[in-house]
Amino acid sequence: QVQLVESGGGVVQPGRSLRLSCAASGFTFSSYGMHWVRQAPGKGLEWVAVISYDGSNKYYADSVKGRFTISRDNSKNTLYLQMNSLRAEDTAVYYCAKEGIAVARDAFDIWGQGTMVTVSS
Amino acid sequence: EIVLTQSPATLSLSPGERATLSCRASQSVSSYLAWYQQKPGQAPRLLIYDASNRATGIPARFSGSGSGTDFTLTISSLEPEDFAVYYCQQRSNWPPLYTFGQGTKLEIK
Repeated sequence: QVQLVESGGGVVQPGRSLRLSCAASGFTFSSYGMHWVRQAPGKGLEWVAVISYDGSNKYYADSVKGRFTISRDNSKNTLYLQMNSLRAEDTAVYYCAKEGIAVARDAFDIWGQGTMVTVSS
Repeated sequence: EIVLTQSPATLSLSPGERATLSCRASQSVSSYLAWYQQKPGQAPRLLIYDASNRATGIPARFSGSGSGTDFTLTISSLEPEDFAVYYCQQRSNWPPLYTFGQGTKLEIK
């Protein structure tokens, strides 16, 4: 079945780095744009970044631009989020999500279960 | 940056009642508007895309409407499993940036 599984979360000190991964299965990963979305504890959803199906285009929320890098390896069906210069406000559950199909491509139709990132000294 | 404002913040209703949730954009988003449902401890689930199209497997009691800046999610007759938090989401034309509303919590009265 269609599935996204995130990994790589944990506790990290402010200013340090962390890399998240998202393993995709059950669909043609290389055909779809992919997103990262985060949710701080008890808060709403915040879009983080998107990467096009072939990795040629990447866009970021202002809150992470210059610190986070989204990438993908289509040979491994895996999405990544490299997070540098982490701040306390980056503490959140990080979800990867797949863009929708055809007219639904501006929506996120498949979500992973999320991985928790805690930035604390 | 386009801001999405959802209202009300909390909606208290009983099973069987009709729920009407609103999402207003600070500028026109055409029909690039989606709705999601999130239950505690779970990832969000896509309900509606392109303002009015139900996603695969979503029951017919869920419907979306609107265009431009004003959008509505309607649940015609609430089932116990519908009590959750609902988010709207849009994509700006260029650059393609995405934003969510702050959410509406639908709770049992």
